[in-house]
Amino acid sequence: AQKITQTQPGMFVQEKEAVTLDCTYDTSDPSYGLFWYKQPSSGEMIFLIYQGSYDQQNATEGRYSLNFQKARKSANLVISASQLGDSAMYFCAMILDTGRRALTFGSGTRLQVQP
Amino acid sequence: DAGITQSPRHKVTETGTPVTLRCHQTENHRYMYWYRQDPGHGLRLIHYSYGVKDTDKGEVSDGYSVSRSKTEDFLLTLESATSSQTSVYFCAISPLTSGRRNEQFFGPGTRLTVL
Repeated sequence: AQKITQTQPGMFVQEKEAVTLDCTYDTSDPSYGLFWYKQPSSGEMIFLIYQGSYDQQNATEGRYSLNFQKARKSANLVISASQLGDSAMYFCAMILDTGRRALTFGSGTRLQVQP
Repeated sequence: DAGITQSPRHKVTETGTPVTLRCHQTENHRYMYWYRQDPGHGLRLIHYSYGVKDTDKGEVSDGYSVSRSKTEDFLLTLESATSSQTSVYFCAISPLTSGRRNEQFFGPGTRLTVL
């Protein structure tokens, strides 16, 4: 079975600085995808970025980039130039390309951006 | 906007009563999911559906049943609610389109309190 580990329950970052949120995963399946979702205090789940296991380049979406290190089974999220609106819970998740295609989530990291 | 609605959005009920949560989508996607979110656990899969009348269990399915008689509706039923089922429930759909083909879109969530 697959597993996602997020070891940082909470993080602080100064506005305009970059921050890295850690995520490690475990699966024996060679074909999978990794996601990051943002959950603000309002509660909705917002898709941020996706990385496929066979993608050659690290994914980027605006200020978000995913530092994918396949050999280390890590998929860290990097947020550049943090903004106050980035304060939220961040979840790393994994999906296998076969079978039920359901997400397995980590426990999340609460990011607080300080002015 | 993936056209996902959940009803009710909030519900307070008493132990032992039956509860049904509804997830409705407007885009005829095949895969639908129910997750629950609890502090310290991220989101965990309860049940999922891969078509009309085709459903299967997730990791935390005890005490829950589901039904899907139409493509657009996926119902989650707590036959006899318990306090341990107090949680936020999210419905999700998976379009399985090209590009980010594994992406899942989430509904707004239902906050359920069992007294």
